[in-house]
Parts: sequence; structure tokens; C-alpha cells
Amino acid sequence: QVQLQESGPGLVKPSQTLSLTCTVSGGTISSAGTCWTWIRQHPRRGLEWIGYACYTGDTYYNPSLKSRLTISVDTSKNQFSLKVTSMTAADTAVYLCARAPSKAADWFDSWGRGILVTVSS
Amino acid sequence: DIVMTQSPDSLAVSLGERATINCKSSQTVLPSSNNKNYLAWYQQKPRQPPKLLIYWASTRESGVPDRFSGSGSGTDFTLTISSLQAEDAAVYYCQQYHSLPLTFGQGTKLEI
Repeated sequence: QVQLQESGPGLVKPSQTLSLTCTVSGGTISSAGTCWTWIRQHPRRGLEWIGYACYTGDTYYNPSLKSRLTISVDTSKNQFSLKVTSMTAADTAVYLCARAPSKAADWFDSWGRGILVTVSS
Repeated sequence: DIVMTQSPDSLAVSLGERATINCKSSQTVLPSSNNKNYLAWYQQKPRQPPKLLIYWASTRESGVPDRFSGSGSGTDFTLTISSLQAEDAAVYYCQQYHSLPLTFGQGTKLEI
């Protein structure tokens, strides 16, 4: 079973850019069909899909965040990353990386444990 | 966006009893092109990420106990946990993958 681990800062100042990385182990990030996903969970709230990058090189973003997002894959490091610009307090959340088996079957069968990102000056 | 609404928000069920959680989508998640409902269920325990239980509305993920079952079609779905165990206390989420953006229900907290 593939394992995922998020890394990055736990504290970001308002207006700054958040950069997170998810390291994949136990499998290759270049697996055919796979889409590498970012999801966030606001405190005491539910889950919000941020977007994903698929093995084809295509990326798909939540329209509510699209103008601020970049998701990219680094096959040489078996990692994928998330950048969110212009962070505000409303972006405070646990950020989780996950794997969708394919674009046509995008449930999430492997998850990282998540990283809490707080936006505060 | 497809809005997913779960009911109830929370429920308490005794050990060994049956728990039923409902999920309703604002649009059908059953494409006319095939016979599969694009609906998944997850279990989340405190300080853990969600765990996939069911996909295609009724297919159990490998390793998930058979007391967990999913049913429904179109816009109305149910997760049933028969013979509740103590370790089933968690928050349960449904998720549609019929169309982007992918969306989740608000969650149902199950207490024993």
C-alpha cells in the first residue's frame, strides 16, 4: 500500500504563499491513471477538495480556489506539491494529500496524516 | 457544484445494533452512460485521515469488514453498519466523484 507524507510550514502570514510537499513511498508517482490530490479540512468543518494532478500531466482545480493554486508533480523525487497564494485566515485548515486511483474513479484510497496550517501574523 | 447533504448530523447507537447514515446529492451521480453510481464513503477517527470504506456506492474497499454496506442509486444513498462495534465510533463522510469539483457531505458523527 502506498504511503503519503505531507511536509511544509505550520504557520503562514497573511498574504504569503503556502508551499506544501507530499512524499509518496511504497509506489511510484508515475503509476498510470493515478491522480495526486490535495484536500483540506477546516477546523470543526468538513472536507474540501482543492485539486489534483494526474499522471497524464493534466491538473484540475476547485474553481473556488483556482486562481490561487498550483499543483505539480516531481517524478524524480516521487513527490507532488501545492502552492496557494494570497493566504488569509480563512485558509487555516489541515491540508491532506491523497491518491485517487484514476481520473475516472476518483475516490481516495491512500491519505497522508495531514498538516495543520495556521494563517496568522 | 453537486451539494452532498448527510443526515443525521449525529447519532448514538448501542453496541451490536444497526446504524444507518443517509447521503443525498443535489444532482444524480449515476451517469446515463453506465450503470455505476459515483459515490464513496469514508470513516474518520480523531487525529486520523479519512479511510475509504466503499466506492461505486456499494463496493467495499479491501479489508473493510462486511458489517459495512452501501446502497442507493441516483441521488439517495445509505451507509449501513450492522452489529455496531466500539471501534466504529467515528465521523462518516460521503463523496461524489461524478463531476468536478469533487464534493463531500458535511459528515455524520456516530457515537456508541
